[in-house]
Amino acid sequence: GDSVTQMEGPVTLSEEAFLTINCTYTATGYPSLFWYVQYPGEGLQLLLKATKADDKGSNKGFEATYRKETTSFHLEKGSVQVSDSAVYFCALSDPDSSASKIIFGSGTRLSIRP
Amino acid sequence: ETGVTQTPRHLVMGMTNKKSLKCEQHLGHNAMYWYKQSAKKPLELMFVYNFKEQTENNSVPSRFSPECPNSSHLFLHLHTLQPEDSALYLCASSQGLWTSGGETQYFGPGTRLLVL
Repeated sequence: GDSVTQMEGPVTLSEEAFLTINCTYTATGYPSLFWYVQYPGEGLQLLLKATKADDKGSNKGFEATYRKETTSFHLEKGSVQVSDSAVYFCALSDPDSSASKIIFGSGTRLSIRP
Repeated sequence: ETGVTQTPRHLVMGMTNKKSLKCEQHLGHNAMYWYKQSAKKPLELMFVYNFKEQTENNSVPSRFSPECPNSSHLFLHLHTLQPEDSALYLCASSQGLWTSGGETQYFGPGTRLLVL
């Protein structure tokens, strides 16, 4: 079945450091890929998405490129801020599935030191 | 602003109580979802509704009873819960099944439930 694997946290970085959170997936069809972010005490928010191979999703300085050849959707940001501290979830949605389900990864907690 | 609201935000209940969680979406969506988020566990999809019809029940115990009276409202009725049911319960909505772009889900802030 479809699945998402993302790097385990927690990840701790200093402010202005470069961020990469790895995400790989398995899917039988051609899924859409997402990154969601959950700030403390809140629900999940869509951060960015990509719907086909080679698409790049971007938002708030974060980027991720849909790589079909490596089945990956790694999240990157060039210079992180303290306000980026949150839990990040990689996810996929398989349009061939009969249910409108999103498969989530286990989440990566990111902490940014001032 | 997510467009999906949940009430209450926090709830403490005993194992013999009956309570309900409410979710409302203001996005004109046709699909709604309940998720359970426990500490150190992946998000668990509980129920899916599309155009008010339940399309998925992920083997959820009967002490959780969903209700979807219309496409904008979703309830989760709780009774005789166990302490291990303590978690953050998240509601989400999307445009709907088999809708172009309909796979993107928008989440509410969640209800933090503690069962004593």
